[in-house]
Amino acid sequence: DIQMTQSPPSLSASVGDRVIITCRASQSISTYLYWYQQKPGKAPNILIYGASSLQSGVPSRFSASGSGTDFTLTISSLQPADFATYYCQQSYSIPLTFGGGTKVEIK
Amino acid sequence: QITLKESGPTLVKPAQTLTLTCSFSGFSLSTSGVGVGWIRQPPGKALEWLALIYWNDDKRYSPSLKRRLTITKATSKNQVVLEMTDMDPADTATYYCVQSDHNTGWPYAFDPWGQGTLVTVSS
Repeated sequence: DIQMTQSPPSLSASVGDRVIITCRASQSISTYLYWYQQKPGKAPNILIYGASSLQSGVPSRFSASGSGTDFTLTISSLQPADFATYYCQQSYSIPLTFGGGTKVEIK
Repeated sequence: QITLKESGPTLVKPAQTLTLTCSFSGFSLSTSGVGVGWIRQPPGKALEWLALIYWNDDKRYSPSLKRRLTITKATSKNQVVLEMTDMDPADTATYYCVQSDHNTGWPYAFDPWGQGTLVTVSS
């Protein structure tokens, strides 16, 4: 199984801050990587396809990059709506696996 | 608009079999490339993929749970059913139904998701 490791597990940030979340795969997954946002009590929503392609409707303050084993999700200027938990997911091989999540909290 | 909704028991006893139904609208499971899957999330924990079924009845399971899972589809009813045997308190989680459409060009991407249903395993 491909293990997905996210860091940090949680972070506190202020509105307007730049936030970077990382996701590392235990083996190369090319760009078979998705990012999801989950707000409390809600189902996740997909943000990023193919490591760097923004889902339609997602604000441009979100960006993502990476390939192989190392990936990042960046929020350029954190907004109140962005406080949530973020998960990466690899689609390179079965079993499909998620990272442990990064909870973004208000400072 | 695509929607999915999970239904089933909220409480099951240890060793029982859980049966969950995903009822969906806005797409057909007879369309090439389309699939429906299940993902769960224990309270306060991360997401775990369980199973997928595709338009052609191709099925994929999490290897760690494969012996306990069965996924089936009722195409004309727009439903997918997941059975999980030998339930344990560690299986307490919110279970989500998801669509996976390879026609988007993004295989195994999960979008959209159902609202989820919390299943508690307790005697």
